[in-house]
Amino acid sequence: QKEVEQDPGPLSVPEGAIVSLNCTYSNSAFQYFMWYRQYSRKGPELLMYTYSSGNKEDGRFTAQVDKSSKYISLFIRDSQPSDSATYLCAMRFVRGTGFQKLVFGTGTRLLVSP
Amino acid sequence: DTAVSQTPKYLVTQMGNDKSIKCEQNLGHDTMYWYKQDSKKFLKIMFSYNNKELIINETVPNRFSPKSPDKAHLNLHINSLELGDSAVYFCASSPRTSDTYEQYFGPGTRLTVT
Repeated sequence: QKEVEQDPGPLSVPEGAIVSLNCTYSNSAFQYFMWYRQYSRKGPELLMYTYSSGNKEDGRFTAQVDKSSKYISLFIRDSQPSDSATYLCAMRFVRGTGFQKLVFGTGTRLLVSP
Repeated sequence: DTAVSQTPKYLVTQMGNDKSIKCEQNLGHDTMYWYKQDSKKFLKIMFSYNNKELIINETVPNRFSPKSPDKAHLNLHINSLELGDSAVYFCASSPRTSDTYEQYFGPGTRLTVT
C-alpha cells in the first residue's frame, strides 16, 4: 500500500463546475499538506500548503485537511479550461532533526471542457 | 527571469552512456533537490542538498552522483545509463531545509535511454 493514495482520474467536468480532488494517507507522522498543479510537459507548481486540520482558501481554491481521517481535499470553484492539468498532493515527512522530505501522490488528471 | 532552470530539456542517449543534467536557481534558496518522475507521473525524491551539503540520498543507485558547486547550482551525473533510468528528472529548491513544504520546481529534463 502506498503511503499516499490519489485517484489518477481523469476527472472530466464542464466549465464552471466545482471540482473536488482528494488524497488519503496512512502515515500519521505527515505534517504540512500541499497541492501542486502540473501542466503537461511542465514542472509541478505549488498551489497551496496547509499545516493544521481545517480549511484554507486562496481565490477559487480551497484546501481542506482532516488529520483524524487522514484525508485531504482540494476544491476548485468555477473551474476553467485553464485548470486542466494534473493535480498532485504532497505531504511532508520529518524524521529526527534535519531530515525532511515530501511524499507525493500519483496525481489526478483534471479535464475541464468549455 | 526563470526561477529554477534545467539543462538540457531533452536528452536521448544509449544504454551504457554517461550523461549530466544541470540545475540553477536564482531564488536565493539554500536547499535544492533532485526528483525522478516515472511514466505514471509518480514523483519521488532522489537527493537533497543544503548549502552544498548532501542531506538526503534516497537509496539511489551509485551510478547517480549529484554535485553542488555552490548553493545556486545542483548537477546530476549518471553513469552507465540503463533503460529504467528513462524518466523526467526535476530539480527543485526551497528557502531552507526546514521549508520543504515550499518547493519550487524546474521545467524538467526528459531523459530517454534507448
